[in-house]
Amino acid sequence: GAGVSQSPSNKVTEKGKDVELRCDPISGHTALYWYRQSLGQGLEFLIYFQGNSAPDKSGLPSDRFSAERTGGSVSTLTIQRTQQEDSAVYLCASSLRLGYEQYFGPGTRLTVT
Amino acid sequence: QQPVQSPQAVILREGEDAVINCSSSKALYSVHWYRQKHGEAPVFLMILLKGGEQKGHEKISASFNEKKQQSSLYLTASQLSYSGTYFCGTEDSYGGATNKLIFGTGTLLAVQP
Repeated sequence: GAGVSQSPSNKVTEKGKDVELRCDPISGHTALYWYRQSLGQGLEFLIYFQGNSAPDKSGLPSDRFSAERTGGSVSTLTIQRTQQEDSAVYLCASSLRLGYEQYFGPGTRLTVT
Repeated sequence: QQPVQSPQAVILREGEDAVINCSSSKALYSVHWYRQKHGEAPVFLMILLKGGEQKGHEKISASFNEKKQQSSLYLTASQLSYSGTYFCGTEDSYGGATNKLIFGTGTLLAVQP
């Protein structure tokens, strides 16, 4: 079946602009996660959604970052007033339920100039 | 809070064995292992849960020492396809089954012919 998809695959934006990154999880997966990976670094947890529960936003680095998940499926990560340090690959993952393996999408490479 | 992985990098010849370690300063509920090839998304390898339960691929073996807050991934008879960066993700025991993973900085494994 289809895996996790993300769009766009690449995004170049100017400092100060807002960007929206989209994630389509695997159908039927109740949990959805966003991570950030800077060049040569590990995966930094940003936020996760589980079913209809309130999301865990504890990893969001600043109030410029927000995310929503509509209808328990598609999720959008929004970064307002982008800064150069926001440049990274943003990865989305989904899992069938808590405690199960996570399936990652191909990521969105964000470059802030 | 971020788990420490060792070694940072290892080079093997095909057929050789390797062990990758992951240590945390916190009591752990679970440890997850993923492999990421260059330019690709991380791929699930193994989950080890407090209490001894494991979920993962048959050809991968790992251990989880709850007392020492450590996990080790064992790669035996390595193949060229094993090359990549290995990440452990730890879930601390305070929150129970949150599946909020804090990833280590990774271990780069290169298998040569």
